[in-house]
Amino acid sequence: GQNIDQPTEMTATEGAIVQINCTYQTSGFNGLFWYQQHAGEAPTFLSYNVLDGLEEKGRFSSFLSRSKGYSYLLLKELQMKDSASYLCAVPDQTGANNLFFGTGTRLTVIP
Amino acid sequence: SAVISQKPSRDICQRGTSLTIQCQVDSQVTMMFWYRQQPGQSLTLIATANQGSEATYESGFVIDKFPISRPNLTFSTLTVSNLSPEDSSIYLCSVEVEGAATDTQYFGPGTRLTVL
Repeated sequence: GQNIDQPTEMTATEGAIVQINCTYQTSGFNGLFWYQQHAGEAPTFLSYNVLDGLEEKGRFSSFLSRSKGYSYLLLKELQMKDSASYLCAVPDQTGANNLFFGTGTRLTVIP
Repeated sequence: SAVISQKPSRDICQRGTSLTIQCQVDSQVTMMFWYRQQPGQSLTLIATANQGSEATYESGFVIDKFPISRPNLTFSTLTVSNLSPEDSSIYLCSVEVEGAATDTQYFGPGTRLTVL
């Protein structure tokens, strides 16, 4: 079956850097997605990784190691508005196009 | 990306009644999905809404409880039937959009359902 593990909660200080880890088990890897979800809102797409390495997109970067079944989301120069849940997801292994989500990491940014 | 709207944004319903949620997207899309997000939890797929055929349900979800319509490529409805307090949740539709690197799912704003 599929499985995704993420820390449940993290706290970081405004202006700092935080790394949110995600480990996954799935057959037939087809990429990994990161979504941001503010409380009471819908998830919004952040990044997609299918090859090993770091993808940088402004203050947010995402890293993938397929051999280790591991990804992380790196948030730099944290702002208060970055307080949200960060969801790691992989395509469903049944071959359908839907996503299998982890439980998410709730990040709280403090002054 | 895609612009997705859902109606209603929230509702409070009595036990035993039903609620139908509408999802409208601003462009034609092949794949539409319905997810449930229970309080404090991540997203769980209910079903894939197929245009012109019956929806494909995930394990633990059945058509009698969650009938879905998909009359065209821009619209779908999800009905949550015979409501009980355990159905209190956020229901989200999503669509898949083709991209240069991969097909990406975009989510509607969600419908927050409270069952009394």
